[in-house]
Amino acid sequence: DQQVKQNSPSLSVQEGRISILNCDYTNSMFDYFLWYKKYPAEGPTFLISISSIKDKNEDGRFTVFLNKSAKHLSLHIVPSQPGDSAVYFCAASASSNYKLTFGKGTLLTVNP
Amino acid sequence: ETGVTQSPTHLIKTRGQQVTLRCSSQSGHNTVSWYQQALGQGPQFIFQYYREEENGRGNFPPRFSGLQFPNYSSELNVNALELDDSALYLCASSLDRVRAFFGQGTRLTVV
Repeated sequence: DQQVKQNSPSLSVQEGRISILNCDYTNSMFDYFLWYKKYPAEGPTFLISISSIKDKNEDGRFTVFLNKSAKHLSLHIVPSQPGDSAVYFCAASASSNYKLTFGKGTLLTVNP
Repeated sequence: ETGVTQSPTHLIKTRGQQVTLRCSSQSGHNTVSWYQQALGQGPQFIFQYYREEENGRGNFPPRFSGLQFPNYSSELNVNALELDDSALYLCASSLDRVRAFFGQGTRLTVV
């Protein structure tokens, strides 16, 4: 039973354009959501997070949107840069513990 | 501020053997979690330690065990290795729910 789903295994965008990565979840107990970026041969690197009491959080080029009624969140990267090319993981946690439940990831390729 | 470091980076073991993976937490972090990432999958939660006590466990058999030491470093032990245990093992330390910091991982291959 996959509680966090990233339905797009890959995404390709042109440099300078917007990248939109999507994530859906099924567990209503999740109240904190995070995005991680992972390069090959490295561990995941934290990007941005959002609490369920908010619907948007912005940090520089990265913005995360949360739609609780749809159990959907998205990560917007604008403008996209070639260095953004990596696998992006959506993760969720519940107040009861700090355990992170991850999606399978989306490979983003930003073409120069 | 030192980050999360894991050792070794790569390891090859034979089916049935035992393995110990090590993790040094980020300075000041009292919570450490271990994750298993199989090829093409997201990281799967194995267990978490908070101040040397196990604080939650994922859907992994008892042959996966761990320890956290007073300096908050940690070990992951896997007994009776199986071929399916081949994966990237990630350690993450945290102080609060804002973020977990991951190490570079240990790539375990069981042959």
